[in-house]
Amino acid sequence: ILNVEQSPQSLHVQEGDSTNFTCSFPSSNFYALHWYRWETAKSPEALFVMTLNGDEKKKGRISATLNTKEGYSYLYIKGSQPEDSATYLCAFYAGRYSSASKIIFGSGTRLSIRP
Amino acid sequence: EAQVTQNPRYLITVTGKKLTVTCSQNMNHEYMSWYRQDPGLGLRQIYYSMNVEVTDKGDVPEGYKVSRKEKRNFPLILESPSPNQTSLYFCASSLSRTGVNIQYFGAGTRLSVL
Repeated sequence: ILNVEQSPQSLHVQEGDSTNFTCSFPSSNFYALHWYRWETAKSPEALFVMTLNGDEKKKGRISATLNTKEGYSYLYIKGSQPEDSATYLCAFYAGRYSSASKIIFGSGTRLSIRP
Repeated sequence: EAQVTQNPRYLITVTGKKLTVTCSQNMNHEYMSWYRQDPGLGLRQIYYSMNVEVTDKGDVPEGYKVSRKEKRNFPLILESPSPNQTSLYFCASSLSRTGVNIQYFGAGTRLSVL
């Protein structure tokens, strides 16, 4: 059974502080990892697509790293702002060759920024 | 504007009354998918479609049906809804299932089955 875990489940951070959280996934049959940002009452929106071991992606104050050999990805937010409050989801794509055989989402990390 | 449109956004129904949740995308995507989201769990895939007339079961397909007669539409059908299908449902689409293409999500449908 493929399991994708995100930790912590929730996080409260003071505005201006930096934070990070983890997505753990099976290290075998890795195909891709996605990060999504999901604000309450809206649809999840893609942040990053990561496919290679050692990948580092950045979008503004948010960045992500990927370690496929040990099966984890970190998401970092630098200088948190109230608009960063959201649930952050990772999605693990398992498979080989031309398409993924399975897509598994973690249950998310709920981030709240205190002004 | 690129978008995935789901309707309705909210639905309250009773056990056994057939319902359809519609999903339409305007990006000419081949891959479409339905997920349900329940508290404490990640998005779980119900059904997906690789292209027109090609559909396959996801992880939690029991009690659901889908069809893909046109590329843009992928309705989710609950023939006889039960209370355990009360959930938040998302439709999503992407260029392909290769994993290098992001998924675009609809706004969600919150379904309550009484």
